[in-house]
Amino acid sequence: EAGVAQSPRYKIIEKRQSVAFWCNPISGHATLYWYQQILGQGPKLLIQFQNNGVVDDSQLPKDRFSAERLKGVDSTLKIQPAKLEDSAVYLCASSPVGRQGEYEQYFGPGTRLTVT
Amino acid sequence: RKEVEQDPGPFNVPEGATVAFNCTYSNSASQSFFWYRQDCRKEPKLLMSVYSSGNEDGRFTAQLNRASQYISLLIRDSKLSDSATYLCVVNRGATNKLIFGTGTLLAVQP
Repeated sequence: EAGVAQSPRYKIIEKRQSVAFWCNPISGHATLYWYQQILGQGPKLLIQFQNNGVVDDSQLPKDRFSAERLKGVDSTLKIQPAKLEDSAVYLCASSPVGRQGEYEQYFGPGTRLTVT
Repeated sequence: RKEVEQDPGPFNVPEGATVAFNCTYSNSASQSFFWYRQDCRKEPKLLMSVYSSGNEDGRFTAQLNRASQYISLLIRDSKLSDSATYLCVVNRGATNKLIFGTGTLLAVQP
């Protein structure tokens, strides 16, 4: 079974530039998550989709970050404009819909963003 | 105060040692609990779920104490391949939202 795919794997941009990340979840997984992992910290949820609807975006900095999952499959996360503190690994995860709290999230390899 | 707290380590132990990691969580409404493993520059992967009755998977034992809001992971007979960061994770409930601790770094020495 193919895992969660993400691209690009690495990105270096200057502050105030824009950047976009792409994620393709495991086939059949209705729920998709974007996490930000800053060096030395655990992943922090930015946004969660179920199919093409947003379930939780309470920690997404909406003045600069946006995300969409238009057809309920793959997803794009955008940062515009980027700040130095956005340097992190952006992880995408997916899970099937099942009994609450009982289903595993599968993570992609992440995109390592460096803002200079 | 962070919702999930762990000792960041590092824990440096010799091969064959037994090592224990602890974690506390602050939200008493949390419903399920996990340990994830993250290798350097890799994505997190589920190691095991944690149940109140305690559960064991080979050399790994996890325990949950709901009254104290405390989670533990015990690794027996440590191997070099156990070297990684161990993330304590709490699931808040209905939306499957995972809250991660900062992770504990384990380095098993030959």
